[in-house]
Amino acid sequence: SQQGEEDPQALSIQEGENATMNCSYKTSINNLQWYRQNSGRGLVHLILIRSNEREKHSGRLRVTLDTSKKSSSLLITASRAADTASYFCATGQTNTGNQFYFGTGTSLTVIP
Amino acid sequence: DAGVTQSPTHLIKTRGQQVTLRCSPKSGHDTVSWYQQALGQGPQFIFQYYEEEERQRGNFPDRFSGHQFPNYSSELNVNALLLGDSALYLCASSPGVFNSPLHFGNGTRLTVT
Repeated sequence: SQQGEEDPQALSIQEGENATMNCSYKTSINNLQWYRQNSGRGLVHLILIRSNEREKHSGRLRVTLDTSKKSSSLLITASRAADTASYFCATGQTNTGNQFYFGTGTSLTVIP
Repeated sequence: DAGVTQSPTHLIKTRGQQVTLRCSPKSGHDTVSWYQQALGQGPQFIFQYYEEEERQRGNFPDRFSGHQFPNYSSELNVNALLLGDSALYLCASSPGVFNSPLHFGNGTRLTVT
């Protein structure tokens, strides 16, 4: 079974707006990562946040992590049409090496 | 610097047949993981190879097996194909086995008829 669950399943916004997607997970984690996937191609790593971090930024991306609520959020600011993709969270657990559990993804559509 | 490459890109097989998928990791990476992604779902972990040995395995039957070669490239073999094995198979490489970001190939789309 998959560890993470993203919310919402689908999101449609206008170019220039901000997009927020959430991820909830079930067990203790070592780190949480966000990936992007363009229409059935390979996933691209966006950002990694460790369990002892609360917030991390990378360009237009901002990720927060709340381990007490077992949840994370990804904010994409000033969205562009090129941001249209599916976004997945993946959790890494202690003692499982690089075995990551992916959620079901949020499909983001940015309308030009 | 080549990223992760997978072959073939598409494959059509019949139920009961066997299939081999191939993956070359990103330069400098020694760990290869395989994921299965059904349509509309997130990737599910199949197994991970490091130092030519299977190190971790997800909840997949023994019909799924793999191999890693001394040059770190890897193969995924699936025997006795079922219709439910139709999916995008993704290979991901990383430098080491612990909590490193994964670099994915573009996958092999397997269709079982």
